Amino acid sequence: KQEVTQIPAALSVPEGENLVLNCSFTDSAIYNLQWFRQDPGKGLTSLLLIQSSQREQTSGRLNASLDKSSGRSTLYIAASQPGDSATYLCAVETSGSRLTFGEGTQLTVNP
Amino acid sequence: AAGVIQSPRHLIKEKRETATLKCYPIPRHDTVYWYQQGPGQDPQFLISFYEKMQSDKGSIPDRFSAQQFSDYHSELNMSSLELGDSALYFCASSLQLAPDTQYFGPGTRLTVL
Repeated sequence: KQEVTQIPAALSVPEGENLVLNCSFTDSAIYNLQWFRQDPGKGLTSLLLIQSSQREQTSGRLNASLDKSSGRSTLYIAASQPGDSATYLCAVETSGSRLTFGEGTQLTVNP
Repeated sequence: AAGVIQSPRHLIKEKRETATLKCYPIPRHDTVYWYQQGPGQDPQFLISFYEKMQSDKGSIPDRFSAQQFSDYHSELNMSSLELGDSALYFCASSLQLAPDTQYFGPGTRLTVL
């Protein structure tokens, strides 16, 4: 059974810092990995999707990497802003196309 | 661009009542997924449909059923509601023919009293 773990569970940083969120998964037989953002009580916004054959994806200040063999992914956020405050969820797609989510990292960027 | 539409956005029910949640996927998307997110928890996969056929099944209680219709919209039917069913229910859609992002709807918040 696929298990996804995210570290840290919570992170508080001052505005402008670069930061890294970590995600690990137990079964390396994945099709892709997605990073989502969720604001409190709101829906899921897809940030980046990395196919299993890719190593990284970039979108603006976000960069996600994937090391499939070691079962790890990182989300790098450059020059963090208060508007980045949210919960960031990592999810892997395995057989049947279902997504298995981690428990998320709650990020607070302080002005 | 059109997104996934879910209705209703909020729903309050009593124990033992039934509820129906609706999901309208992005146009041309042929696959629909349902997820349940309890308070403070990560989303858990319930069930998915591709071309109106169930394609995968997760931790969906027997009290719940779902289907996908000819216009690709999907409905999640929940009976004999329990307090523990209170959660945010997400629908996502994707295009099966190509590896693609699952696009999530805004969710339906179900509260069971």
